[in-house]
Amino acid sequence: DTEVTQTPKHLVMGMTNKKSLKCEQHMGHRAMYWYKQKAKKPPELMFVYSYEKLSINESVPSRFSPECPNSSLLNLHLHALQPEDSALYLCASRKGLAGNNEQFFGPGTRLTVL
Amino acid sequence: AQSVTQLDSQVPVFEEAPVELRCNYSSSVSVYLFWYVQYPNQGLQLLLKYLSGSTLVKGINGFEAEFNKSQTSFHLRKPSVHISDTAEYFCAVSGSGGSNYKLTFGKGTLLTVNP
Repeated sequence: DTEVTQTPKHLVMGMTNKKSLKCEQHMGHRAMYWYKQKAKKPPELMFVYSYEKLSINESVPSRFSPECPNSSLLNLHLHALQPEDSALYLCASRKGLAGNNEQFFGPGTRLTVL
Repeated sequence: AQSVTQLDSQVPVFEEAPVELRCNYSSSVSVYLFWYVQYPNQGLQLLLKYLSGSTLVKGINGFEAEFNKSQTSFHLRKPSVHISDTAEYFCAVSGSGGSNYKLTFGKGTLLTVNP
């Protein structure tokens, strides 16, 4: 299985809502990433988890809260978002933080904040 | 730190024509290089990668790229494109040593293949 899955595919939420994005991989990878991608732009790194521990937080606002419950699963909890947070949220995984940096991407969750 | 420049933001071509998408990088250390493709409303898919060894790298869907260290380039080529190759293409670079957690992406090149 060389797939990264993400749910939901689309999400619409209000600014007072709380929602979560989910990412799953069964490749035995030990590093997982969250990216945010605005239209016609490259992905921007948000968080990196290594062996279920948060390694990197690229100065992301606290209204985004990542969680890695186990080595296969990565969540992104959303609360009090702003309309400018509307974007495609991509999850990626790789074998580990050492070695080549080939990352496997999921299909993304298209988030709209009203 | 690394940076990537994709020299063309848009490349229109006719079906069955050859195409080259240009990528230049800057880095003070040895690098790994990648090309990803993103079809509309989808995630990124790896086309090919340069890690070490032969500078000519072959990938999926008939694409290839050549690593040129002296010119710090990693241009993507395909001899004959199809309508289905219409997509956004991202070049990305990563340092090859130590904790190289970050992929630095170029701004992307939109390839449009016209009939």
